[in-house]
Parts: sequence; structure tokens; C-alpha cells
Amino acid sequence: KAGVTQTPRYLIKTRGQQVTLSCSPISGHRSVSWYQQTPGQGLQFLFEYFSETQRNKGNFPGRFSGRQFSNSRSEMNVSTLELGDSALYLCASSLGGKVAEAFFGQGTRLTVV
Amino acid sequence: GNSVTQMEGPVTLSEEAFLTINCTYTATGYPSLFWYVQYPGEGLQLLLKATKADDKGSNKGFEATYRKETTSFHLEKGSVQVSDSAVYFCALSDRDDKIIFGKGTRLHILP
Repeated sequence: KAGVTQTPRYLIKTRGQQVTLSCSPISGHRSVSWYQQTPGQGLQFLFEYFSETQRNKGNFPGRFSGRQFSNSRSEMNVSTLELGDSALYLCASSLGGKVAEAFFGQGTRLTVV
Repeated sequence: GNSVTQMEGPVTLSEEAFLTINCTYTATGYPSLFWYVQYPGEGLQLLLKATKADDKGSNKGFEATYRKETTSFHLEKGSVQVSDSAVYFCALSDRDDKIIFGKGTRLHILP
């Protein structure tokens, strides 16, 4: 079956702009999580959606937001981009539940200039 | 809150050496524990998992045992290969289904 698909793979934006990243989970998976990966901070949890509802949220400013659609596809939006937002953004999908394995996409590499 | 601490890298070993990457966790209740691996240019993929105390997860020659008394989940492999070079992440999943990752340990295997 198809894996987790993230688009676009690479993105270059200017400070102050906004960006929307997309994630298509594995068919049947209702949980989608987003992570920011940087060399200095490692993997940081942004938020998690399950059946269109945000269940968990990490410690990121309100400029970072997301949503999930009825087909489980998810989008993440970052407004008023800052240089420090440059990172690899990873999406993971799972069936949900404490023992469920998370399947990751290849990520979107965002560069803010 | 819940957290995962793993040894800082990078770790550099020769091929066929024994590998240990330490991981300890802090959590309320009984989390599930995971090791994920990230190869260059790719997303993370699950390496192994354990869902209750004393469980041993294993895959591709890697093993880790869920030790509740020491709150640890150390990753081991008896004989590493060059192809094992990657970044390894220890993680836990708590009752809110949120997965919390350690900072990752970069592993370099020299031929």
C-alpha cells in the first residue's frame, strides 16, 4: 500500500511569507502528527490530529497551525515565517492508540531566506 | 511531563563491533517504547518496539528490552555493518497517543 506522502519535498520562502505543507496519510489511518526536525533541537512535536480534531499540541507559537480533512489528509500552515523556521517538517500517520506504529513521510525541507 | 533521554552522538564504531545506544525515559503510567531509524535523506521508520515491561523488541539484529525498574530501553546489536550508519531515535507513546522522541544518536560505522 502507498506510504505517507508529503508535498512539496522542498520549499524556499522569504521571511514574513506564509507556507502550507500537505500530508496524505496511509489509507485507513486516522491519526496524523507533525514534527519539526532541526540539527539543534532534534525532533519536536507540533500537533496531532485524529478524525479532524486536534488532540495534542506541542509548544510552538500560534503562527503554526494545522487541520485535518474528512479523508484524513492534513495540512500544516506557518504564517509570518522567520529564519528559525527553516527545518525538515515530518508528517507521521498511524491507526491511533498507544501501541500503534507511526509511519513517516520523507518530509518537506523548508528554507526561509 | 514525559520525556526521553538518549546518549549524545555521534557514535563511531568499526564494522562488526558491538553497539549499545542508551535510552532512558520519564513517564507516568505504562508507555509503549520504540526505536526509530532515519537513513540519510529519508523519514523515520520503525526499527522495533516493546509495549510492556520485560518485553524485548527485535529486528534486523537489533534488540532492546523494556526495563521498568530502570526506566530504560537501550538499543543493542552484536555486530554492526556499514549499512547501519544512520540516526537512531528512542521514543515513547503515552496514554494520549502522542509520540515523544529523544534527540537522536548519529551512528557512523567504519569499514
